[in-house]
Amino acid sequence: DADVTQTPRNRITKTGKRIMLECSQTKGHDRMYWYRQDPGLGLRLIYYSFDVKDINKGEISDGYSVSRQAQAKFSLSLESAIPNQTALYFCATSDSQGGPPDTQYFGPGTRLTVL
Amino acid sequence: QKEVEQNSGPLSVPEGAIASLNCTYSDRGSQSFFWYRQYSGKSPELIMSIYSNGDKEDGRFTAQLNKASQYVSLLIRDSQPSDSATYLCAVNKRGNNRLAFGKGNQVVVIP
Repeated sequence: DADVTQTPRNRITKTGKRIMLECSQTKGHDRMYWYRQDPGLGLRLIYYSFDVKDINKGEISDGYSVSRQAQAKFSLSLESAIPNQTALYFCATSDSQGGPPDTQYFGPGTRLTVL
Repeated sequence: QKEVEQNSGPLSVPEGAIASLNCTYSDRGSQSFFWYRQYSGKSPELIMSIYSNGDKEDGRFTAQLNKASQYVSLLIRDSQPSDSATYLCAVNKRGNNRLAFGKGNQVVVIP
């Protein structure tokens, strides 16, 4: 089984709809991240969480919210989806307590299309 | 100045040749440096990490770090068609333990 899973893997929705993307991990890592990737713009950080009670905005948090339901689960919500939120979304995890410092491991991604 | 820059355009190399990728960064206090490989439509996959000046080798991959000049490079020896992908350089940001990513360099290995 994959260490970091994301659901759904693909989603097509309409402008104005509320969407939730979910991320789960079995790596036991304490830190989790949400990124979006657009052609030519690279990976941009939306939100990150260093533990269940710690949530931080990234570079492009407007229009997004997150919830860290447990150490292993981190959800990203689009309250009212708009077409320019069409992108590939990745969840990532890292471990502050051991292993190579700062190393992030990515989930398989969610391709979101907003019509 | 961008935090992490990868300025080279797509790189085409013949099979068996060496592919060389470069990355510069702006934060002189950065401490951790990574190369990720990303196939089209797939997630980034960590291939190398480096923390100290000098070279680090792992199989056909060598990462080189020069903190004084603020660059990190990746060499791919004996390039194979399966190496055709986009390579992302990532650098930690001092003080908040987040990674800054470059936009990536596409490598095409020609059989």
